[in-house]
Amino acid sequence: AQSVAQPEDQVNVAEGNPLTVKCTYSVSGNPYLFWYVQYPNRGLQFLLKYITGDNLVKGSYGFEAEFNKSQTSFHLKKPSALVSDSALYFCAVRDLSTGGGNKLTFGTGTQLKVEL
Amino acid sequence: SAVISQKPSRDICQRGTSLTIQCQVDSQVTMMFWYRQQPGQSLTLIATANQGSEATYESGFVIDKFPISRPNLTFSTLTVSNMSPEDSSIYLCSVEKDRGGDKDGYTFGSGTRLTVV
Repeated sequence: AQSVAQPEDQVNVAEGNPLTVKCTYSVSGNPYLFWYVQYPNRGLQFLLKYITGDNLVKGSYGFEAEFNKSQTSFHLKKPSALVSDSALYFCAVRDLSTGGGNKLTFGTGTQLKVEL
Repeated sequence: SAVISQKPSRDICQRGTSLTIQCQVDSQVTMMFWYRQQPGQSLTLIATANQGSEATYESGFVIDKFPISRPNLTFSTLTVSNMSPEDSSIYLCSVEKDRGGDKDGYTFGSGTRLTVV
């Protein structure tokens, strides 16, 4: 079974400071990892994904995420936060092993609040 | 990535009635996925819809309550049947797009915000 944990319900950061939103995962095989953002009354927007290759993945809006296999983590980061980054962030995983199917499992979400 | 048109965007329905949500994709896809996002919660997969076969439902979801159609490779519908206030949620469709053999990620529709009164 595959699972995702986002240990923080909310993260508060001052504008201009770096931000990190944490995510850890559990899969039987190799993971296919995603970050999505959801603004109020909007659908999910894709930020970035990791399937293979460089552990540091760069995505939309200046976000990046680092895949750490030993720690089974895929934390989302941004060097300098903006007020407009305030939104709900979801980490998701799919197990790429045979029999893992195409199912995408989501974490519970982390509300990011960036303040002036 | 694929472009998904989902409708209606929102609806307010009476309990006991049914609502059908439509999802149209701008290209052919093998699998389409239907999710539910209850207020303040994460996304939960309801079922996976393949063209030409019955949908595969996740634990806790049944076909009688959430019948799904998948008549072709670009279209699917989800019906929420015999609704109760507990069905008030955002319902989203999603597709996985492969591009030349590379996995191109999952795209989501804008969602249907359902309120049952």
